[in-house]
Amino acid sequence: DAGVTQSPTHLIKTRGQQVTLRCSPKSGHDTVSWYQQALGQGPQFIFQYYEEEERQRGNFPDRFSGHQFPNYSSELNVNALLLGDSALYLCASSLGWFDQPQHFGDGTRLSIL
Amino acid sequence: GENVEQHPSTLSVQEGDSAVIKCTYSDSASNYFPWYKQELGKGPQLIIDIRSNVGEKKDQRIAVTLNKTAKHFSLHITETQPEDSAVYFCAAGNAGGTSYGKLTFGQGTILTVHP
Repeated sequence: DAGVTQSPTHLIKTRGQQVTLRCSPKSGHDTVSWYQQALGQGPQFIFQYYEEEERQRGNFPDRFSGHQFPNYSSELNVNALLLGDSALYLCASSLGWFDQPQHFGDGTRLSIL
Repeated sequence: GENVEQHPSTLSVQEGDSAVIKCTYSDSASNYFPWYKQELGKGPQLIIDIRSNVGEKKDQRIAVTLNKTAKHFSLHITETQPEDSAVYFCAAGNAGGTSYGKLTFGQGTILTVHP
């Protein structure tokens, strides 16, 4: 039973560039949420996708956007990268967007130079 | 919005001792409280969760208690083992509500269990 998988595991970009991170949910799950975890902090909610639509959004600027595909996988896109975007980006999946536990992947470590 | 405070930030215990981590939340609409364990280089792993219609839940050496009136919830680990060493996060959400997906996390507790 495959868990949540994320790619790539590490990524280095420079300021102003754009990045795309990918997530495949746990088998049987249809909802994907994205979180940003700065070093030494708890994860912060970015947004959640269900049925290919953004259902919830946290306090992140429009530079952060996403997409969910018919097979439930998801992408997180960040434009015009800033130094402050350096963080671990976590994907969590669940069954339905309503009240089932969220299970996390191991994340993508993004470093901005 | 919801705010979750977690204490202590670091906790050091001897193997076999108990460990307690406490969290408080601000939004009375929150009704779902998961706990996650994060090991170095890994994502958070769900270890136990509790909903507001239950005051306590146990799973082997791990238990969680919830005081809705005081807006407090706590994680209790008994008979700690070195492999329990990790960062633990509490979180709060609104299961069944329109803001469910937005889990709000505490700042984390670094637990070290000394052999």
